[in-house]
Amino acid sequence: GNSVTQMEGPVTLSEEAFLTINCTYTATGYPSLFWYVQYPGEGLQLLLKATKADDKGSNKGFEATYRKETTSFHLEKGSVQVSDSAVYFCALGSGGGADGLTFGKGTHLIIQP
Amino acid sequence: SQTIHQWPATLVQPVGSPLSLECTVEGTSNPNLYWYRQAAGRGLQLLFYSVGIGQISSEVPQNLSASRPQDRQFILSSKKLLLSDSGFYLCAWSNGGSSYEQYFGPGTRLTVT
Repeated sequence: GNSVTQMEGPVTLSEEAFLTINCTYTATGYPSLFWYVQYPGEGLQLLLKATKADDKGSNKGFEATYRKETTSFHLEKGSVQVSDSAVYFCALGSGGGADGLTFGKGTHLIIQP
Repeated sequence: SQTIHQWPATLVQPVGSPLSLECTVEGTSNPNLYWYRQAAGRGLQLLFYSVGIGQISSEVPQNLSASRPQDRQFILSSKKLLLSDSGFYLCAWSNGGSSYEQYFGPGTRLTVT
C-alpha cells in the first residue's frame, strides 16, 4: 500500500535559517505529491504540488522536487520567517481511488526570532 | 471560486450526547467529500469519504456516521459521544478523477467532557 514518512519534530530554527523537511514515500504507480501547511487552529492549506518525476513545485518561497529515483519530495526554503511556524504535511495521491490522499504524520516547525 | 464551510467552529459536549457537524461546499458540483479527525499532536485520520449523494465509505469502524443528503453537503453524526471522540474535525473536497488535491475547511474543535 501507499505510505508517507516524514520527520515529526518539532524542528526548531532561527529566523533566516535554511529549512529542509524530509519526505519519502512508497506508492504503486506514479503518484502525485503534495505539501500542506496547517497554522494553529486552522485547516490545512495546499502549499505546493508536483505531478510527475523531476517536477518542482513552488509557492511562497518554498520548493520541493519530485525525485522518483529516491522516492522523495523534500520541502525547502532558503530563509524562514517566524510566520512560517506551522505543521507541514507531506501527502501523495495515486491509484485513481476516491479515498484520496495518503498523509504523513506532520512536522511541527518552530521559528524563533 | 470554490469555498468550503464548516460549523460550528467549536463545540463542547458531554459524554453520551449526540453530535452533528456540517460541511458545505460552494462553487463546484459533484465533488468528492471527506471527513478527517486530528487528535491532539497527531496526524490526520480519514473517517469517511463520499463520491456522491447517499454514497458513504467508512474507513474506520467507530460510533460515528456520515451522510450526504445533498450534492455539496456532508454531515458527521454520532448518537452518543465518547471521550475519545474529542479532536479537530476537518472536512475536505476534491474534484476526483486524476486530480488528487484536496481542499480543506477551517475545522471544528470538539471537546467531549
